[in-house]
Amino acid sequence: AQTVTQSQPEMSVQEAETVTLSCTYDTSESDYYLFWYKQPPSRQMILVIRQEAYKQQNATENRFSVNFQKAAKSFSLKISDSQLGDAAMYFCAYRRFRDALNFGKGTSLLVTP
Amino acid sequence: DGGITQSPKYLFRKEGQNVTLSCEQNLNHDAMYWYRQDPGQGLRLIYYSQIVNDFQKGDIAEGYSVSREKKESFPLTVTSAQKNPTAFYLCASTESGGRNQPQHFGDGTRLSIL
Repeated sequence: AQTVTQSQPEMSVQEAETVTLSCTYDTSESDYYLFWYKQPPSRQMILVIRQEAYKQQNATENRFSVNFQKAAKSFSLKISDSQLGDAAMYFCAYRRFRDALNFGKGTSLLVTP
Repeated sequence: DGGITQSPKYLFRKEGQNVTLSCEQNLNHDAMYWYRQDPGQGLRLIYYSQIVNDFQKGDIAEGYSVSREKKESFPLTVTSAQKNPTAFYLCASTESGGRNQPQHFGDGTRLSIL
């Protein structure tokens, strides 16, 4: 089974600064998809960004971007110009066979004024 | 607006009791999923269904059961065999076949033991 590892249980960033959340995964497949989800205190799961493994170009969504290193099986999330509303749990996920997501254990992001 | 509705928001279970968590979606999605979330554990897959009248076990299916009689509904029963049911349960759905399609999530049900 594929494993997704988020090595940072907690991270902190000051408002307006940039922070990078790490994610590595293990797979023998060549075609797959990766996602970052945000879970604020309301516990809703909100899609932040997604990346197709066959695309070399890193995905970008406004202040959120990824650094996808396929050979290294690394998929980090960069948040630029951090805002107080970015404070949440962030989960990295891998799309495996039959479309079920395989999640990491999450990184709790604290944003300080 | 289309979405996923989970009910109830909070649920309490007595010892030896079965309880059922409801999940309804009006997104016309084929695939539906149940995840369990424990502190520090992320989300773990319980059951999933790609089509009506068909479902498969996920990583932690023991003590749970599901049915998929209608496309829009995927209820989860937590049986008395599940000895540690206290957790946050999330239901999700997605269009089947497209791996890059994101999963849409409900707002969750928090289950506790009385």
